Amino acid sequence: EAQVTQNPRYLITVTGKKLTVTCSQNMNHEYMSWYRQDPGLGLRQIYYSMNVEVTDKGDVPEGYKVSRKEKRNFPLILESPSPNQTSLYFCASGRTGYGTEAFFGQGTRLTVV
Amino acid sequence: SQQGEEDPQALSIQEGENATMNCSYKTSINNLQWYRQNSGRGLVHLILIRSNEREKHSGRLRVTLDTSKKSSSLLITASRAADTASYFCATATNNAGNMLTFGGGTRLMVKP
Repeated sequence: EAQVTQNPRYLITVTGKKLTVTCSQNMNHEYMSWYRQDPGLGLRQIYYSMNVEVTDKGDVPEGYKVSRKEKRNFPLILESPSPNQTSLYFCASGRTGYGTEAFFGQGTRLTVV
Repeated sequence: SQQGEEDPQALSIQEGENATMNCSYKTSINNLQWYRQNSGRGLVHLILIRSNEREKHSGRLRVTLDTSKKSSSLLITASRAADTASYFCATATNNAGNMLTFGGGTRLMVKP
């Protein structure tokens, strides 16, 4: 089954403790992206990657890191999480080129206390 | 930055009625897409309309695009309780490849 898989689905952590949210897709998509969703703000893009070893900042990259060592994986790293990073995070993938739909993971609800 | 802005923010209708949601955007686009999100779940792609298209249909969905007004509308006909969800428009601009910019969404509630 074609899917984007995120782990974990839920995470509660403390301020400053490094964490990684994994994202994997099995559709051989070149493009992958991370979004955060907050009430009243819709979805905002954090980072995206057009292919292996190619990453770029989205609208809200501060406090986040990503890597794209393999085509299928695009982990999101929070080196020193803060409470304002409490949010619902989504990973998405798609084929490159304009006019292609994005496939979303089920989301990771992160709480930083 | 939010490229798309949906209107209304929330909509409540009875089963069988039609639901219309609008989206406005600010810059030139390559295409506009509509997504659906069930509460707290991932977004699911519904339909894509290109900048040179004016109307598109998919089942009970009808999407229109007016590039002169920088706006789009999503019409769901004969709504069902299962259509209850949030609906988002997303724009793809010519300078950003796959990058999609989402609006704040419309929360639709369909009462049985």
